[in-house]
Amino acid sequence: NAGVTQTPKFRILKIGQSMTLQCAQDMNHNYMYWYRQDPGMGLKLIYYSVGAGITDKGEVPNGYNVSRSTTEDFPLRLELAAPSQTSVYFCASLAGARVGYFGPGTRLTVT
Amino acid sequence: TQLLEQSPQFLSIQEGENLTVYCNSSSVFSSLQWYRQEPGEGPVLLVTVVTGGEVKKLKRLTFQFGDARKDSSLHITAAQPGDTGLYLCAGGDSGGSNYKLTFGKGTLLTVNP
Repeated sequence: NAGVTQTPKFRILKIGQSMTLQCAQDMNHNYMYWYRQDPGMGLKLIYYSVGAGITDKGEVPNGYNVSRSTTEDFPLRLELAAPSQTSVYFCASLAGARVGYFGPGTRLTVT
Repeated sequence: TQLLEQSPQFLSIQEGENLTVYCNSSSVFSSLQWYRQEPGEGPVLLVTVVTGGEVKKLKRLTFQFGDARKDSSLHITAAQPGDTGLYLCAGGDSGGSNYKLTFGKGTLLTVNP
């Protein structure tokens, strides 16, 4: 199994541009999550999904959108990028025993 | 919003020393997880505790979940440079079918040779 994969690993955006961060898992997990990690701030939940077709907001959803058309994929969309969205983004999936698997992260800079 | 406070925020020790890091909340969690994160990588799960008072051991690491399921501790015996990393605790909130993990800010541990 590849586990949780994320693309791209790095990206620089200009203010106002849009992009999609890709996340995929091959473990057939229903629960998937998007977190952002800022220096000294731990991980904050952006959006999560409990299964295909079902998504819900986390702690910091503003400026982001998600979709979950399949069990495997959970892309995160940034519309009108702002400097405040400069961060490292992690996608995670959760196994039935509440074991969290994290992807390697996407480092995003908005200038 | 459930909050998890981790202490200390930074810890620098010499190889061979023992240490304890703490994770505290005013909220009750259905489970508590500890992760270790190395620079440039995603967090990796170390342990999950689900029962109040539960103690789990992973080689030199001992994890304890508080009786009231509001706090947890991680004790490392005879720390080694390979233990260096960011230690994150995460509380599981199983409100209905929506299981969410709330993370603390982490403890950055440096073990010097």
